[in-house]
Amino acid sequence: GNSVTQMEGPVTLSEEAFLTINCTYTATGYPSLFWYVQYPGEGLQLLLKATKADDKGSNKGFEATYRKETTSFHLEKGSVQVSDSAVYFCALMNNNAGNMLTFGGGTRLMVKP
Amino acid sequence: NAGVTQTPKFRILKIGQSMTLQCTQDMNHNYMYWYRQDPGMGLKLIYYSVGAGITDKGEVPNGYNVSRSTTEDFPLRLELAAPSQTSVYFCASSYGQDPGGYTFGSGTRLTVV
Repeated sequence: GNSVTQMEGPVTLSEEAFLTINCTYTATGYPSLFWYVQYPGEGLQLLLKATKADDKGSNKGFEATYRKETTSFHLEKGSVQVSDSAVYFCALMNNNAGNMLTFGGGTRLMVKP
Repeated sequence: NAGVTQTPKFRILKIGQSMTLQCTQDMNHNYMYWYRQDPGMGLKLIYYSVGAGITDKGEVPNGYNVSRSTTEDFPLRLELAAPSQTSVYFCASSYGQDPGGYTFGSGTRLTVV
């Protein structure tokens, strides 16, 4: 079956530090990959996505590259801000009739001023 | 604002009680989903619907029921609440033609005591 594994948090960084959150997946075929972000007290929001190998998704300074050879989709940002503090979820969708997403466990990011 | 509206935001139930979690979207999305989020865990799919009158089980459907009589509404029913159903419940919707582009509600925090 499908599964997504993320690095455990919390990840604590100082403002302007470089961020990497690791995500690896298990799936047959060629899934689409996503990063969602959840701010405190809110629902999840789509941050970025990639639909085929070597695609790079980007949004709000965040980037992730779909690496099929390593089955990974690591999230990166060059300079984090306090406002980036949130929980980040990696997810995949693998050719199913209901467009259902399989989520990883989430990684909490805390950015200190 | 348009989007996915969930009610109530918080609820405490006693073991064996029943309740319905309401979910309404005004974006004319055809696909709708119910997920639960347990502490430190990712989201698990309970039920989903690809259109009015059509529902199907997700990964963790036991103890829940759904209906989809209109495009807008997708209520989740708990018949006999159990402590294992203590969780945060998220409803989401999407266009079938926009895989992964979910819009999430802000969640319902349910405690069963």
